[in-house]
Amino acid sequence: DIVMTQSPDSLAVSLGERATINCKSSQSVLHRSNKMNYLAWYQQKPGQPPNLLVYWASARESGVPNRFSGSGSGTDFTLTISSLQAEDVAVYYCHQYYSLPYSFGQGTRLEIK
Amino acid sequence: QVQLVESGGGVVQPGRSLRLSCAASGFTFSHYAIHWVRQAPGQGLEWVAGVSYDGSNKDHADSVEGRFSISRDNSRNTLYLQMSSLRAEDTAMYYCVRENEGGFGEYYFDYWGQGTLVTVSS
Repeated sequence: DIVMTQSPDSLAVSLGERATINCKSSQSVLHRSNKMNYLAWYQQKPGQPPNLLVYWASARESGVPNRFSGSGSGTDFTLTISSLQAEDVAVYYCHQYYSLPYSFGQGTRLEIK
Repeated sequence: QVQLVESGGGVVQPGRSLRLSCAASGFTFSHYAIHWVRQAPGQGLEWVAGVSYDGSNKDHADSVEGRFSISRDNSRNTLYLQMSSLRAEDTAMYYCVRENEGGFGEYYFDYWGQGTLVTVSS
């Protein structure tokens, strides 16, 4: 089974500043046949279900602001928020869909400094 | 618009059974794999089970294997999770989630329901 580990567990960033969240998988989620990384990012606000932000490690979901970007390959991935807005306060999860059982990182709580 | 509406949650005693349902609308239900993902209070996300578009392939997490069973009825656009021998650690919000693109075990989750809360307590 693939274990996903995020860092940090929590993060406080000033409004307008950059926020960076890391995610590491215990084995590569890069599929050799299609060269795609099977890695997604979700945002969860209090009292709401998670919401898809990024898939294939770097493809932004429709409607997601372009301040959100995903990068990385193989086992190391990053979600970057280029200029933090108040509405970005949430918990962020990475998710591997390379193989069943699917697995998620433990989550990173993002707050305003 | 895509909608996934869970129901069937509640308070149940340890060792008892419960069946969750997920009613889908706004898309061709029979074309997509659907999963259950749960979240214990204040905790992270845990994949529970998934079923392929036609019900021919299923998989369950080790933590629920032999106790939970996922199924679907494409004629009713409904997903089910039959839960038995419930334990306190099964207490969680249970989300019904659509897998993108019609694959099974190879795509991300693009739509989530609002969830139904299961509390296992005596």
